[in-house]
Amino acid sequence: ETGVTQTPRHLVMGMTNKKSLKCEQHLGHNAMYWYKQSAKKPLELMFVYNFKEQTENNSVPSRFSPECPNSSHLFLHLHTLQPEDSALYLCASSPVDADTQYFGPGTRLTVL
Amino acid sequence: AQSVTQLGSHVSVSEGALVLLRCNYSSSVPPYLFWYVQYPNQGLQLLLKYTSAATLVKGINGFEAEFKKSETSFHLTKPSAHMSDAAEYFCAVRGGSGNTGKLIFGQGTTLQVKP
Repeated sequence: ETGVTQTPRHLVMGMTNKKSLKCEQHLGHNAMYWYKQSAKKPLELMFVYNFKEQTENNSVPSRFSPECPNSSHLFLHLHTLQPEDSALYLCASSPVDADTQYFGPGTRLTVL
Repeated sequence: AQSVTQLGSHVSVSEGALVLLRCNYSSSVPPYLFWYVQYPNQGLQLLLKYTSAATLVKGINGFEAEFKKSETSFHLTKPSAHMSDAAEYFCAVRGGSGNTGKLIFGQGTTLQVKP
């Protein structure tokens, strides 16, 4: 399998649940990103990891907790979410300091 | 700081007609500019990018864009629309200091192609 993959593709959860989103890249990149895509709004960068170290947290609420165990995997742990957190969550990767990011297909999250 | 404005959230063209999607940017440093496309239920795919070389940039699927510094624009064009071009298109500028790779996206333009 090549490129950037994300699982699950769809997730429905209650506000009291705990779930995790997974991203895996097979491109040999060392930078990984989480974005949030909501209807009628621009893509919002959430987190950036370079060589497994978090280099950017764009004022994201603590109910979103990222984890990057190695350069190929990125997780987003979710707990006590709100309905307004419903969105498409996109993962991307790139070589560090490169200008092009490669995106996964996203996880469509619905919070009830 | 960098920002991007895409003029028109929806654009509708007939098959075979010219496609023009507008993007204006603001940047305090020489920008890198990008167009991405998102097909339904998919992630974003890079169409083309401007990185301070030639001002007319050719991308995939017959698209091209011209960087005009005097107009702070980077409009996307295609001479003849195909039904398969129907998608959402995002203009982005690279922000942040140094080479952080942080992209600032516009709100997107949905392209509808009518038969």
